[in-house]
Amino acid sequence: GAGVSQSPRYKVTKRGQDVALRCDPISGHVSLYWYRQALGQGPEFLTYFNYEAQQDKSGLPNDRFSAERPEGSISTLTIQRTEQRDSAMYRCASSFTSDEQFFGPGTRLTVL
Amino acid sequence: QKEVEQDPGPLSVPEGAIVSLNCTYSNSAFQYFMWYRQYSRKGPELLMYTYSSGNKEDGRFTAQVDKSSKYISLFIRDSQPSDSATYLCAMRGGGSYIPTFGRGTSLIVHP
Repeated sequence: GAGVSQSPRYKVTKRGQDVALRCDPISGHVSLYWYRQALGQGPEFLTYFNYEAQQDKSGLPNDRFSAERPEGSISTLTIQRTEQRDSAMYRCASSFTSDEQFFGPGTRLTVL
Repeated sequence: QKEVEQDPGPLSVPEGAIVSLNCTYSNSAFQYFMWYRQYSRKGPELLMYTYSSGNKEDGRFTAQVDKSSKYISLFIRDSQPSDSATYLCAMRGGGSYIPTFGRGTSLIVHP
């Protein structure tokens, strides 16, 4: 594909439900990052992978959040037992080197 | 105090003006400095990438880093309405691949 894609673009869920957000990085990109971006703020780091290995998950807010990238390509960010405070834009980025990250369009999550 | 401070604006300028966007930071370990542009409803895209102190020019854009003052700037010459967007500064240390972002400055260039 031409760029990073994310699905769904919009997700509305009820409090307590689990959600899975998908990221499809640029082909050949080694690193994949997940961020959360609140309105009027910059992206806030959640976790990142090199290939299939999760290198850093220090930004995940709590144990309801998890991420995987089992084959070193597509990644899924899962939020269990969603809460209203989880509502935000979730962005994925991929990179071939450490210099430039290419961001996807994001998934807007709304928890009612 | 946040590690990276950036005035959210909005900054409104007439077409053709020189725009100055700035960030300050507190972490002296930051060595790599980036500016991203984010259009409404889009993801950030990298504009400029610099290492350590000094200036870097790319077309109408100039990035400037002053590590002694912990202050970085992005200058846009001959600003165009198409430059209207949010500009995010970001920076990272040499031993980390994870950038810390500012909150972004909203720029409006009116015809």
